Amino acid sequence: DAKTTQPNSMESNEEEPVHLPCNHSTISGTDYIHWYRQLPSQGPEYVIHGLTSNVNNRMASLAIAEDRKSSTLILHRATLRDAAVYYCILPNAGNMLTFGGGTRLMVKP
Amino acid sequence: DAGITQSPRYKITETGRQVTLMCHQTWSHSYMFWYRQDLGHGLRLIYYSAAADITDKGEVPDGYVVSRSKTENFPLTLESATRSQTSVYFCASSEILWFGQFFGPGTRLTVL
Repeated sequence: DAKTTQPNSMESNEEEPVHLPCNHSTISGTDYIHWYRQLPSQGPEYVIHGLTSNVNNRMASLAIAEDRKSSTLILHRATLRDAAVYYCILPNAGNMLTFGGGTRLMVKP
Repeated sequence: DAGITQSPRYKITETGRQVTLMCHQTWSHSYMFWYRQDLGHGLRLIYYSAAADITDKGEVPDGYVVSRSKTENFPLTLESATRSQTSVYFCASSEILWFGQFFGPGTRLTVL
């Protein structure tokens, strides 16, 4: 199964952009890259997913490297409500999502 | 209410007792999932279902039983609870297998 590597934690200032990196050097050609986040004491929340091209939605942007071995989730203006654990996920051999440790994002006012 | 709900939200039980956690979704999504999340760790898949009457094991199915007689419901039963099953349990649903899973609020289960 392809694995992802994320920093354990990151800090950001409120209203500034945040770039959350993810390495997935063993990704296969058909693997979609998924991002979820989990706010404190809540269930995970879908953020965005992509295959090759950069993707945008109301929550975030996903920038995918040309070789697809890494990707970056971009929050354009971090708010205090964006403080959460962010998971970068590739489906496993059974097409299931495997949640690793993720990146804990702290947002400072 | 539209969405995915779980009940109970909190449950305390004793070792050896049977416990059933309920999950209900109103979107008529085909897929439903059960995960557990131990303190300070990521989620692990217990069981999933592709449709009514179709279920399959995930990463950690031992000690759990599921059923899905109706599309909207996916109960999880611990037949004989053990302390190692103390965890937060999340139910999720999606229309396509791995795209956009929607999670419930979770059930915090404590087994004494």
